[in-house]
Amino acid sequence: QVQLQESGPGLVKPSQTLSLTCTVSGGSISSGSYYWNWIRQSAGKGLEWIGRLYTSGSINYNPSLKSRVTISVDTSKNQFSLKLRSVTAADTAVYYCGRSGVSSQDYWGQGTLVTVSS
Amino acid sequence: DIVMTQSPDSLAVSLGERATINCKSSQSVLYSPNNQNYLAWYQQKPGQPPELLIYWASIRQSGVPDRFSGSGSGTDFTLTISSLQAEDVAVYYCQQYYSTPLTFGGGTKVEIK
Repeated sequence: QVQLQESGPGLVKPSQTLSLTCTVSGGSISSGSYYWNWIRQSAGKGLEWIGRLYTSGSINYNPSLKSRVTISVDTSKNQFSLKLRSVTAADTAVYYCGRSGVSSQDYWGQGTLVTVSS
Repeated sequence: DIVMTQSPDSLAVSLGERATINCKSSQSVLYSPNNQNYLAWYQQKPGQPPELLIYWASIRQSGVPDRFSGSGSGTDFTLTISSLQAEDVAVYYCQQYYSTPLTFGGGTKVEIK
């Protein structure tokens, strides 16, 4: 049973960088044919896909965030990470990591609330 | 981007009655080479992450009760709860995974009448 857990600061100041890590257990992040996703949910914009990392290492980003986002992987720790630069209050959301196969996202982390405020 | 539009925003249904949620995509999510609709449905209860109910528009995820069913093709899709139970109170989302950026509908809140 795959499990994912987000971790990182719950409060980030405006203009700074939001950094989150997703730790995967119950399966290797570098095996199989899976996408490892970041998705966020805010009251104002609902569910928003941020980007994904494929097992092969290729990465896709949402064009609306692409200029500010970096997704990376640390296979030695079985983790993947999200960095979102120059944050504003609009980036306040619950951030989820998850796994999807060729279809939909079948595993989700519990989510972590990140608030952007001074 | 493919825009996903759900209706209604909310609905109240009596226990044991049918609930129907609609989802429309701004362009077809049917991939002709494999004849699959790249459409999923999720259920989200308060304080929890979304949970996958349906994928490929009509395939129930393992463990999902058979009162949940998905139908539709191309741009128009429906999630049906055949006999609403108290534990089905939640927000339901559709999502397309036909192309990036992956996009979600705005959600439909299902309550008990």
